[in-house]
Amino acid sequence: QSVLTQPPSVSGAPGQRVTISCIGSSSNIGADFDVHWYQHFPGTAPKLLIYVDRNRPSGVPDRFSASRSGSSASLAITGLQAEDEADYYCQSYDSSLSSWVFGGGTKLTVL
Amino acid sequence: EVRLAESGGGLVKPGGSLRLSCAASGFTFGSHGMVWVRQAPGKGLEWISSITTRSNSKYYADSVKGRFTISRDNTKNSLFLQMNSLRVEDTAKYYCARAAGSNGFFYIYLDLWGEGTTVTVSS
Repeated sequence: QSVLTQPPSVSGAPGQRVTISCIGSSSNIGADFDVHWYQHFPGTAPKLLIYVDRNRPSGVPDRFSASRSGSSASLAITGLQAEDEADYYCQSYDSSLSSWVFGGGTKLTVL
Repeated sequence: EVRLAESGGGLVKPGGSLRLSCAASGFTFGSHGMVWVRQAPGKGLEWISSITTRSNSKYYADSVKGRFTISRDNTKNSLFLQMNSLRVEDTAKYYCARAAGSNGFFYIYLDLWGEGTTVTVSS
């Protein structure tokens, strides 16, 4: 059970918008530690998707965006494409655990 | 080419040891903190260990504390993970990753990952 809670799965049709939530607490996101997001295709290296709450690395399409509020964060994907089908993870630091933490991961299915 | 390449995985019996290596290329290795992350079969990502640029500070998840040791050799652009007293639940794919970020080590994110090496602990 991760201290960052993500829905196990989300789905959407091509072209639609989906969001993935990452619910934390006062010892991680609520404590103003940065939130980062990764995209992971099984069997490959995970890829940084969003860093420091809302920044996209070079090469990441602007269809991907993120935000945070209070103790939660969310990733939004607009104009859904088949190639977006992957696992998505949020990540932050938890001061109670004295450790960096990942969310449990969300499997995105493009219908 | 900027790259991380893990090696050293394999099959080991419970209680055994294994040493993972991660070879870095294409960037100034000594300027970055480094991290080991693992993914057990059917599970999510788990952060297990971090090390600062000059090895001044090392951090471990509770699940591996006292059994695993992270180290690095900046002269050889290499990161290591010595794993002792291995358990069945340590079975996973192990990734090394490069830490990035300018807000302090607790605010780091992982901007470069290797393809991983698989560790199987089984009798």
